[in-house]
Amino acid sequence: KNQVEQSPQSLIILEGKNCTLQCNYTVSPFSNLRWYKQDTGRGPVSLTIMTFSENTKSNGRYTATLDADTKQSSLHITASQLSDSASYICVVSDRGSTLGRLYFGRGTQLTVWP
Amino acid sequence: EADIYQTPRYLVIGTGKKITLECSQTMGHDKMYWYQQDPGMELHLIHYSYGVNSTEKGDLSSESTVSRIRTEHFPLTLESARPSHTSQYLCASTSSSYEQYFGPGTRLTVT
Repeated sequence: KNQVEQSPQSLIILEGKNCTLQCNYTVSPFSNLRWYKQDTGRGPVSLTIMTFSENTKSNGRYTATLDADTKQSSLHITASQLSDSASYICVVSDRGSTLGRLYFGRGTQLTVWP
Repeated sequence: EADIYQTPRYLVIGTGKKITLECSQTMGHDKMYWYQQDPGMELHLIHYSYGVNSTEKGDLSSESTVSRIRTEHFPLTLESARPSHTSQYLCASTSSSYEQYFGPGTRLTVT
């Protein structure tokens, strides 16, 4: 069964600290892996997209890694800010159909305290 | 920022009413999607479209229907709203480079 599991479910850190969010998936075949940031009551916004051949990609203070062999990804946030408080969603796409089916994790709820 | 819009943003409606959630995008994307998301849960695909006059049901059984008469417009209709339909509904479209853009969502409450 194709699944995307994220950990931790929730995380609280102090402003300025770093943190790492985890994503494990069983989706096969694999096309790409995305990380989204979703503010409360808003739609998700893309942070990074990585294909099979990419093992790291950065977007400002966000750095995503991908190990396609172990089917694991992480999102590292550096020097956290209050505005980083949001849900971070890992999404994996397969290439088994023309639709490019997306499998969503439940997200990690990050809270940054001052 | 993505040019994909949803209206209304919030809707409170009584049981049995017919409602239409609007979604439009100005990016010329062929593929569009509707997702349902409950608090703290993953997004579930309820409808998708490859292009004009093409619509398919997604993974999550839904009593809603959709239409795609124009590329930019993908409305979702509930013929008779029930409290079980209370949820957040997210519309999205996909570019040719895998990037999926989401609208701001409609939070629906059926009383």
